[in-house]
Amino acid sequence: EAGVTQSPTHLIKTRGQQATLRCSPISGHTSVYWYQQALGLGLQFLLWYDEGEERNRGNFPPRFSGRQFPNYSSELNVNALELEDSALYLCASSFTGEGRTEAFFGQGTRLTVV
Amino acid sequence: EDKVVQSPLSLVVHEGDTVTLNCSYEVTNFRSLLWYKQEKKAPTFLFMLTSSGIEKKSGRLSSILDKKELSSILNITATQTGDSAIYLCAVGNPTGTASKLTFGTGTRLQVTL
Repeated sequence: EAGVTQSPTHLIKTRGQQATLRCSPISGHTSVYWYQQALGLGLQFLLWYDEGEERNRGNFPPRFSGRQFPNYSSELNVNALELEDSALYLCASSFTGEGRTEAFFGQGTRLTVV
Repeated sequence: EDKVVQSPLSLVVHEGDTVTLNCSYEVTNFRSLLWYKQEKKAPTFLFMLTSSGIEKKSGRLSSILDKKELSSILNITATQTGDSAIYLCAVGNPTGTASKLTFGTGTRLQVTL
């Protein structure tokens, strides 16, 4: 069974540009979470999608946005990139039936803003 | 706001030592507590603890949930250099059938020879 897949693995953008990161969840998982992990820091919660709806968002400005598609894959968009957006962006998916909440992570997208 | 706090922030031990990592939480509605190990990129799932499963063990790793104290510990016995990693704790806060996961900042464990 395929795990959570993220693309691209690495992304280099210049300040002011837009970045699009993609995530495909494990088959059968309907929830997708996005986290930002800056160098040396913990996981900061960005966004949570379930069944195509945005359920919650973390303390990030509106230029961080995303969506979840009918096949449960998800996209994270970051507009007007700033240098401090450079980080590892991790996506996780989980199954939401029967109260199960264990989430599995993709390998991440390393975004570098120059 | 939901909060998960891990301690210590970092730890250096010698191979063979036993370590205990701590996680405490404040959430509006608790469903589960999860432990992850992060070595390079993707955190890998270790354990999930719930009200119906407050103790888990796998090899040298074990974890206990204390719902009264709103905390959990992760024990690693006979540590090996391969245990060096960041250990993350997350709490699942249910909304309907799904759960928001809130992570702590992690404990960085370094095991030396």
